[in-house]
Amino acid sequence: AQTVTQSQPEMSVQEAETVTLSCTYDTSENNYYLFWYKQPPSRQMILVIRQEAYKQQNATENRFSVNFQKAAKSFSLKISDSQLGDTAMYFCAFMYSGGGADGLTFGKGTHLIIQP
Amino acid sequence: SQTIHQWPATLVQPVGSPLSLECTVEGTSNPNLYWYRQAAGRGLQLLFYSIGIGQISSEVPQNLSASRPQDRQFILSSKKLLLSDSGFYLCAWRLAGANTQYFGPGTRLTVL
Repeated sequence: AQTVTQSQPEMSVQEAETVTLSCTYDTSENNYYLFWYKQPPSRQMILVIRQEAYKQQNATENRFSVNFQKAAKSFSLKISDSQLGDTAMYFCAFMYSGGGADGLTFGKGTHLIIQP
Repeated sequence: SQTIHQWPATLVQPVGSPLSLECTVEGTSNPNLYWYRQAAGRGLQLLFYSIGIGQISSEVPQNLSASRPQDRQFILSSKKLLLSDSGFYLCAWRLAGANTQYFGPGTRLTVL
């Protein structure tokens, strides 16, 4: 079974700063996907970014990028030019890509607060 | 485009009462469907998933059950609620073979 660990329960930065959220995972599988989801106060889970384990290139979506280190089993999220609307819980998640209907394994989340 | 609905949005139930939460997906067919629970201060825990009508897989043994009576309908039930069933319940879907799950708006359940 896989586990996902987010070691930062809460982080706070000033608006426009860059912030990095950490995530490590443990798995014996070689083929999988990694995700970052955002959960704002509305509690709707929103996909931020995804990474296929077989791709060496780090995924990027506008102000959001990841640093994927497969050997170290590390998957951090960098948010550039942070905005007040980025305030939310951020969850790192893992999914095996064996072709089945596997669900997501989530970390416990990091509460990110963007200060004005 | 695809949309996912959950109802009710909020529910307060006494201990020992039954439960029925509903999830429906529009704009796609034969999706994989998932139920997750988010307890206070915790991440999401997968409860059930389904690859088709009548096909349910349970990830965590408990007093909850799930059913899929129609292709795009997924129901979470309980005969007798426990205090520990309180939490935020999220339904999700993804296309078979695709890699991304999309979540519904969730149901906040409080058991008193």
